[in-house]
Amino acid sequence: GAVVSQHPSWVICKSGTSVKIECRSLDFQATTMFWYRQFPKQSLMLMATSNEGSKATYEQGVEKDKFLINHASLTLSTLTVTSAHPEDSSFYICSGLGGGNYEQYFGPGTRLTVT
Amino acid sequence: EDQVTQSPEALRLQEGESSSLNCSYTVSGLRGLFWYRQDPGKGPEFLFTLYSAGEEKEKERLKATLTKKESFLHITAPKPEDSATYLCAVQGGAGGTSYGKLTFGQGTILTVHP
Repeated sequence: GAVVSQHPSWVICKSGTSVKIECRSLDFQATTMFWYRQFPKQSLMLMATSNEGSKATYEQGVEKDKFLINHASLTLSTLTVTSAHPEDSSFYICSGLGGGNYEQYFGPGTRLTVT
Repeated sequence: EDQVTQSPEALRLQEGESSSLNCSYTVSGLRGLFWYRQDPGKGPEFLFTLYSAGEEKEKERLKATLTKKESFLHITAPKPEDSATYLCAVQGGAGGTSYGKLTFGQGTILTVHP
């Protein structure tokens, strides 16, 4: 199956700092990538959709100036959490959509803890 | 608005005790229904895609089926390593829905005891 990687797998940062998370599709070209966040014992919540070379589309309630998404190539998307606060602590997961079968392949996730 | 409801929320089985997980959905223009497995602290692992009512797919001890209103994930003779959260998601195609956007259910936490 298609493989998606994320880096880092976990990160701890201080309140007010920014953190960048990378998402790479390793063996396919992801024309579209998605970013989700997941709180403990909850399901995945879509944050934004990004298409290569275009501005990301954010879901209602997600601050686009706080969660900066860049999809510079068909294999790389980045999520930058700016001025992070403790309430931003969560599990962030990306996925890539490749080909015409509508299947999304997920990365292993990044655990963000803001102290 | 697309909606997905999974039941039960949690399911405990003895090893070898077969059962089914349910996923009820409402969607405008179903493009696909997806089943994923998620282990604690990891991203979802793709299991199946079903595209139309009547379709069935199998993988080892798992079998997914689809009707116009719901999908079932049947687990035959489960083993402890099948313990995980199973997520169901739909992708709709009507009303300008973004291509590829999934709507997830809350998941079913499956625990299989030896």
